Amino acid sequence: DTAVSQTPKYLVTQMGNDKSIKCEQNLGHDTMYWYKQDSKKFLKIMFSYNNKELIINETVPNRFSPKSPDKAHLNLHINSLELGDSAVYFCASSGRLAGADTQYFGPGTRLTVL
Amino acid sequence: QKEVEQDPGPLSVPEGAIVSLNCTYSNSAFQYFMWYRQYSRKGPELLMYTYSSGNKEDGRFTAQVDKSSKYISLFIRDSQPSDSATYLCAMSAGITGGGNKLTFGTGTQLKVEL
Repeated sequence: DTAVSQTPKYLVTQMGNDKSIKCEQNLGHDTMYWYKQDSKKFLKIMFSYNNKELIINETVPNRFSPKSPDKAHLNLHINSLELGDSAVYFCASSGRLAGADTQYFGPGTRLTVL
Repeated sequence: QKEVEQDPGPLSVPEGAIVSLNCTYSNSAFQYFMWYRQYSRKGPELLMYTYSSGNKEDGRFTAQVDKSSKYISLFIRDSQPSDSATYLCAMSAGITGGGNKLTFGTGTQLKVEL
């Protein structure tokens, strides 16, 4: 069973379009995250949600809007897509391990904006 | 200056070699240190987790943390071709309740050759 799953795996779209990426975790974790990995493999946090509440918002353009309908799901909607949004987007969820949150990642969504 | 510095490689070693991967960091608040392995076109997977200073061993992998030098290492013994991947260090101050922000290094690409 996949612990953290994302759909779609690949997304190719035109500039200016609006698209959504979905994430689900079956680990029973309370906290979920969105990360962006650029072409140089640098992984940077975008958002975190804890029990459907936004906790971390890392200076991401407001074209990006996360939504958490319940604690097992965290979706990412992107408006007016730009070329620079092309990247791999990873969802993660975290559980406690010896006092700290340890994050488990999904397989990623490779977004290409043309 | 980035909070976490990691040599991107690529690092190429023969099968059976001992591999040493390292990261330096500048934020004294970091207490939790992780190593993630990322295969091509896959999500990062948690490999090792260490709290504060010291060593931790798991099979062929050993993680070391030296907080006084702000330096962490991952050693891989008897390296195998299946270890070929990008290795990302990550660290956090360990704030819980959804506010645990992992800061990643840029990753070191490792290739183990037959």
